[in-house]
Amino acid sequence: AQTVTQSQPEMSVQEAETVTLSCTYDTSESDYYLFWYKQPPSRQMILVIRQEAYKQQNATENRFSVNFQKAAKSFSLKISDSQLGDAAMYFCAYRRLNYGGSQGNLIFGKGTKLSVKP
Amino acid sequence: GAVVSQHPSRVICKSGTSVKIECRSLDFQATTMFWYRQFPKQSLMLMATSNEGSKATYEQGVEKDKFLINHASLTLSTLTVTSAHPEDSSFYICSATRAAANNQPQHFGDGTRLSIL
Repeated sequence: AQTVTQSQPEMSVQEAETVTLSCTYDTSESDYYLFWYKQPPSRQMILVIRQEAYKQQNATENRFSVNFQKAAKSFSLKISDSQLGDAAMYFCAYRRLNYGGSQGNLIFGKGTKLSVKP
Repeated sequence: GAVVSQHPSRVICKSGTSVKIECRSLDFQATTMFWYRQFPKQSLMLMATSNEGSKATYEQGVEKDKFLINHASLTLSTLTVTSAHPEDSSFYICSATRAAANNQPQHFGDGTRLSIL
């Protein structure tokens, strides 16, 4: 079974600085998807960034980028120029490729609570 | 963009009552919907996978007679918590996907906070 591990329960960053959130996962599959989701106090789940395992290039979305190390099964999220609105829980998630005509569910890590100091 | 509406957003009810939560895809047909449960300060745990027109697939440890899931149409899935008790109090959140294609994202509802007194 696949597992996702986030070893940092809480992180803190100064506004405008950069922070990196760690995520490791375990799978025997060669192709899959990895995600970072943001959950603010409103508890909405907001997709931050997505990475396909077959792509070697690290995904980037504005101030958010990932460091995907497939061999090490590591998928960290870097937030540059941190803003107060970035404060939230961040969940790393894994999803297998589809088979049998249906999409697979997301497997989430335990989350990292990010605080942004003004 | 794709929108998933979840209703109600908050429910407070007495122990023993049944509660129905709806998850609707507003502008797309959802072939698959997922139901997750999230305890305070914890992660989302998959409860069941719901495919339109077929029985839901429940995760190990989730009582299917307790948590009834119906996915009668391509835009609506419902989760009914039957004879709810205080231990069922939690945050329930659904997600829906447009198609089975790998590149289709999953869209989340805003969740339902269930409190059983």
